[in-house]
Amino acid sequence: DTAVSQTPKYLVTQMGNDKSIKCEQNLGHDTMYWYKQDSKKFLKIMFSYNNKELIINETVPNRFSPKSPDKAHLNLHINSLELGDSAVYFCASSQNPGSYNEQFFGPGTRLTVL
Amino acid sequence: AQKVTQAQTEISVVEKEDVTLDCVYETRDTTYYLFWYKQPPSGELVFLIRRNSFDEQNEISGRYSWNFQKSTSSFNFTITASQVVDSAVYFCAHCSGGYQKVTFGTGTKLQVIP
Repeated sequence: DTAVSQTPKYLVTQMGNDKSIKCEQNLGHDTMYWYKQDSKKFLKIMFSYNNKELIINETVPNRFSPKSPDKAHLNLHINSLELGDSAVYFCASSQNPGSYNEQFFGPGTRLTVL
Repeated sequence: AQKVTQAQTEISVVEKEDVTLDCVYETRDTTYYLFWYKQPPSGELVFLIRRNSFDEQNEISGRYSWNFQKSTSSFNFTITASQVVDSAVYFCAHCSGGYQKVTFGTGTKLQVIP
């Protein structure tokens, strides 16, 4: 009965490949997020979707493309992977964006680009 | 723009000591929320507390307590009688605006030595 789940947990790939990370939440939340945590533990928001609509799009290379097929899922597709993309990617969800509720995080996906 | 500063990068304490983690934030908004999250060595992010800008009451939850002072733009976190299980990276975060864009501090790594 995991609240926010991500697959895969670990992803090791070569530079130039394309990969996807999947996220699902069973909390009934309206809003989902992608964060990137670098090697220094710095957490930065990348994207946010509310009811399948993109509402936050930070300065992220357009090689990163989020997709939300429904409000319970938010996937992250990365094209032409680069060494600098190596990081831990966290998915999170919260209730509607106007209510400042806490965000529930998935376990993270550790991406290593060789 | 919002900014959250956690000046203490790493803190080491001996078990049973009290420890305070500092958090200073910058915002132009009058309505905002502050959060603390814990990231243990296993990597997941765990929500600890949320405070809104209109509620300066201090909060205590077991060995954890939080001191919110708008006059100094600080939201400090104290662990009383620390335990080894408290060893983690602790993040302070700020959220305002309509879309719950959360700005995280850089984190404080707490090591509790037995």
